Amino acid sequence: EAGVAQSPRYKIIEKRQSVAFWCNPISGHATLYWYQQILGQGPKLLIQFQNNGVVDDSQLPKDRFSAERLKGVDSTLKIQPAKLEDSAVYLCASSSINDPRGETQYFGPGTRLLVL
Amino acid sequence: AQSVTQLDSQVPVFEEAPVELRCNYSSSVSVYLFWYVQYPNQGLQLLLKYLSGSTLVKGINGFEAEFNKSQTSFHLRKPSVHISDTAEYFCAVSTNNNDMRFGAGTRLTVKP
Repeated sequence: EAGVAQSPRYKIIEKRQSVAFWCNPISGHATLYWYQQILGQGPKLLIQFQNNGVVDDSQLPKDRFSAERLKGVDSTLKIQPAKLEDSAVYLCASSSINDPRGETQYFGPGTRLLVL
Repeated sequence: AQSVTQLDSQVPVFEEAPVELRCNYSSSVSVYLFWYVQYPNQGLQLLLKYLSGSTLVKGINGFEAEFNKSQTSFHLRKPSVHISDTAEYFCAVSTNNNDMRFGAGTRLTVKP
């Protein structure tokens, strides 16, 4: 079974530029998550999708971050414009059922973003 | 909202020694508890989880954890560690709202 795929693996941009990350979850997984992991901290949930609908985006900085999962499969996370404090690893995860309470989340390798 | 505190940011141990990584949580409702491991330049991998039932949970790679409701703890243990266990370990908690919260992580370093 293929794991969660993310691209790019690394990205360096200057502040005020835009950037987009892509995630392809495990086949058949209904729920998809984007996390931000700042160096030295645990992952922080940014947004959670169930199929193509948003379940939780309470911690997403909506003035600059956006995410979509139009066909309920892969997803993109965009930052526009980027700030220095957005430097982090962006992790995508997926879980298998429509009611994932307590369900295992499978994580991709992450995209490491550096904003200069 | 629930929260997690990992009491040790770094834990150095010698190979074949026992180890305990401590995790405490705070929540006003019932919780599900998880331990994830992150090897360098890799994503997080589930070690074990507590959903209900037996409070002693066994996971992969010889790790186990015990849910203690009265102490609101979910400490991770391994009786004998290997060099390959060197990694970052994250405790996480979620509720029926499926809002998972991670601790800040504990870096386990196993020395020869």
